[in-house]
Order: sequence, then C-alpha cells, then structure tokens
Amino acid sequence: KNEVEQSPQNLTAQEGEFITINCSYSVGISALHWLQQHPGGGIVSLFMLSSGKKKHGRLIATINIQEKHSSLHITASHPRDSAVYICAVSGDQGAQKLVFGQGTRLTINP
Amino acid sequence: DGGITQSPKYLFRKEGQNVTLSCEQNLNHDAMYWYRQDPGQGLRLIYYSQIVNDFQKGDIAEGYSVSREKKESFPLTVTSAQKNPTAFYLCASSNGRGREAFFGQGTRLTVV
Repeated sequence: KNEVEQSPQNLTAQEGEFITINCSYSVGISALHWLQQHPGGGIVSLFMLSSGKKKHGRLIATINIQEKHSSLHITASHPRDSAVYICAVSGDQGAQKLVFGQGTRLTINP
Repeated sequence: DGGITQSPKYLFRKEGQNVTLSCEQNLNHDAMYWYRQDPGQGLRLIYYSQIVNDFQKGDIAEGYSVSREKKESFPLTVTSAQKNPTAFYLCASSNGRGREAFFGQGTRLTVV
C-alpha cells in the first residue's frame, strides 16, 4: 500500500461543476502539499498546509490531521483547470523529503 | 524573479552514453531534490542534498550520480548503468522541513 493514496485517479466533469479530489496518507507528516501539473510537465505548488483550511481563488484545501486525510476542492470549475493534481506529504522525521501520490487527472469539458 | 531553472527541456541520448541534467535555483534554499516521473506513477526520489558538499541517495539512486559544489546548483548525471533512463525528471528545492517546495519545469529524457 502506498503511503499516499489519491482518489479518484481520473475525473471528468462539465464546466461549472464543484470538484473534489481526496488524499489519504499513512505516515506522520509535517506538512501536506497540493500540486498542479499541466501537460507540459512543470509543477506548480498550490497549497501547503499542516492544519485546517486554505483558500486561494476558486481552490480550497482542507486537512484533517486525526483522520490523515486532505481534500482539494475547485468551485465553478473551468476547462483551464484541466491538469493533474498531485498530493504530497513531507514527513515529520529527518530530512524534508516529499512522498507523492499518483496524481488525479482532471478534465473539465466546456 | 526567484525560481528553479532546469535545462534542457527535452534531451535525447544514445544508449550507453552518460548525460547531465542541469538544475539551478536562486531562492537561497539549502535543500535540493531530484525526482523521476514515469507514466501512471507518482514522483520518486532519486537523490537529495540538504547542504553544500553533501547529498544522500533516495529510493531509486542506482544508475544516477549528483554533485552539490554550490548552493545554487544540483546537477544530475544519468549514467549508462541506469537500465531504463527514459523518463521525466524534476528538480525541486525547499528551505527545510515543513516549508514549501518549489519545482522546476522538468527535463524529458529519451534514450534512443
């Protein structure tokens, strides 16, 4: 079993829909990261959080430390949100190494 | 603007040749990382460095080598010993545990 599991692996939705991507992890963490990867390959950091909730524009990220679970929500989704969304955790021991989920491929159709 | 620069974006290599991927950052970050991404898989850690002149193997270090002679630079050499080198390679940096990680745009290596 992977230390970081994302669901779903693929998600297709219509423009305007509310999107939720889930991430569960099995290790102690110092922080959880949500990343976005566009077809060109480059990765952009969306959020880094260790508790509670963060919001940036139409994106919301939440984390429940007790349940070892995080969600990324996109409100009023748009075709430009189409990308791979990756959850990663940095451990609470030793070096700052990220462990990545497999990613969720999101496609928003107009 | 501060950031991480990887070059080149695309790289083709003949089987049996070594090739070096460049990663430079001007964020003054102590830690730098190299990850490999294969289709349908999460990123996997190849090597990381927490300070100049020091680096550690990650989960899939075989067939790779690195150096960290300057804080800004962390080049990755893919040697001929790497059995399946065709992949997408990402460099990242951060300033410590629990701090935000920054990523380069990646290098897609194809062995022909």
